[in-house]
Amino acid sequence: DAKTTQPNSMESNEEEPVHLPCNHSTISGTDYIHWYRQLPSQGPEYVIHGLTSNVNNRMASLAIAEDRKSSTLILHRATLRDAAVYYCILRDWEDFGNEKLTFGTGTRLTIIP
Amino acid sequence: GAGVSQSPSNKVTEKGKDVELRCDPISGHTALYWYRQSLGQGLEFLIYFQGNSAPDKSGLPSDRFSAERTGGSVSTLTIQRTQQEDSAVYLCASSLASGGRQDNEQFFGPGTRLTVL
Repeated sequence: DAKTTQPNSMESNEEEPVHLPCNHSTISGTDYIHWYRQLPSQGPEYVIHGLTSNVNNRMASLAIAEDRKSSTLILHRATLRDAAVYYCILRDWEDFGNEKLTFGTGTRLTIIP
Repeated sequence: GAGVSQSPSNKVTEKGKDVELRCDPISGHTALYWYRQSLGQGLEFLIYFQGNSAPDKSGLPSDRFSAERTGGSVSTLTIQRTQQEDSAVYLCASSLASGGRQDNEQFFGPGTRLTVL
């Protein structure tokens, strides 16, 4: 399976944008890029996913490099509630029946008031 | 609407006892997953159900672990003869079937914290 690499931790000031990077240099053409986050003492929650084009939803934006070897999750205006561990996960849409999420170590985001 | 629920929220047991953990998925979700999260091990996959069938049991760590799903809804994860290394948060998730496209969203429950003394 293609692997992802993320920084262990990041800090950001409240009400400022946050850019969370993810490297996936061995990504295959059929891998979706998914992001989940885990707030303290909660289960993970879905944030966003994409394949080739940049994606926006109410929670965040996903910017995917043209060669797809890296991506960036963008929180446009961080709040204290965004403090969490963020996971970048690849899922191969040709891998029929392999439905599981493979979590790495993620990036622990700290928001400074 | 109601999300994924798990019970109990906390379970303390003695080494060697059996435990059962329950998961109620979101209504209509055909896919159900069990994961566990322990200190130093991160989040790891245990088993995946599609309906009542388990096409992927590859993450179950030993034959002491088993899971079943009945009626395409509730699932029970059973750990027999618990050991201290089984202490972890056990998370359940559900989703609509992706049809193999891998673009479906998984919805997680709050987890069951298991402590084996």
